[in-house]
Amino acid sequence: AQKVTQAQTEISVVEKEDVTLDCVYETRDTTYYLFWYKQPPSGELVFLIRRNSFDEQNEISGRYSWNFQKSTSSFNFTITASQVVDSAVYFCALSERISNFGNEKLTFGTGTRLTIIP
Amino acid sequence: DAGVTQSPTHLIKTRGQQVTLRCSPKSGHDTVSWYQQALGQGPQFIFQYYEEEERQRGNFPDRFSGHQFPNYSSELNVNALLLGDSALYLCASSLGQTIANYGYTFGSGTRLTVV
Repeated sequence: AQKVTQAQTEISVVEKEDVTLDCVYETRDTTYYLFWYKQPPSGELVFLIRRNSFDEQNEISGRYSWNFQKSTSSFNFTITASQVVDSAVYFCALSERISNFGNEKLTFGTGTRLTIIP
Repeated sequence: DAGVTQSPTHLIKTRGQQVTLRCSPKSGHDTVSWYQQALGQGPQFIFQYYEEEERQRGNFPDRFSGHQFPNYSSELNVNALLLGDSALYLCASSLGQTIANYGYTFGSGTRLTVV
């Protein structure tokens, strides 16, 4: 079965520090997608990134960067120069095909609560 | 362009009652999936609706049912509520059943408390 593990339950860092959120996944699929979502207190899951299993290039978007390592089944997320607005719960998720007709769902990790201390 | 709209935002129900949650998908999206997020946990897949039919279901009992209307909006119904049904219920819309290509858009959820 698919599984996503986010071993860090809570992380607190002082503003402007860098922080890395870990994500390890298990899947039998050869093609899959990995996602990161941000969940602020409002509850809405905000999409951050999607990565295809065939694309192992690291990606940078502003202060955010992602390190995908297929060999270790990891998809880690780094925030550089953290800001108070980055405080939220962050979820890593893995797509899973659930039928032969193309239906898919996401399997989420348990999330990492990130607190940025001013 | 409106995103996903869910109603109500908060709800308190008594054990044994029934509840209906509503979702309007993002404009242009035709598929609605529902997720349950218990406190401190990641969202868990309940089911997916496409072309007004339930296409796939996660590991949830038959007390959980749904419906999709011709305008793609959806309802989630839960019968015989249990205390353990207390959670944030998230609606996610997508274009087609294959989320990997275009991803989900999530609503802000309905916070259900069963007392």
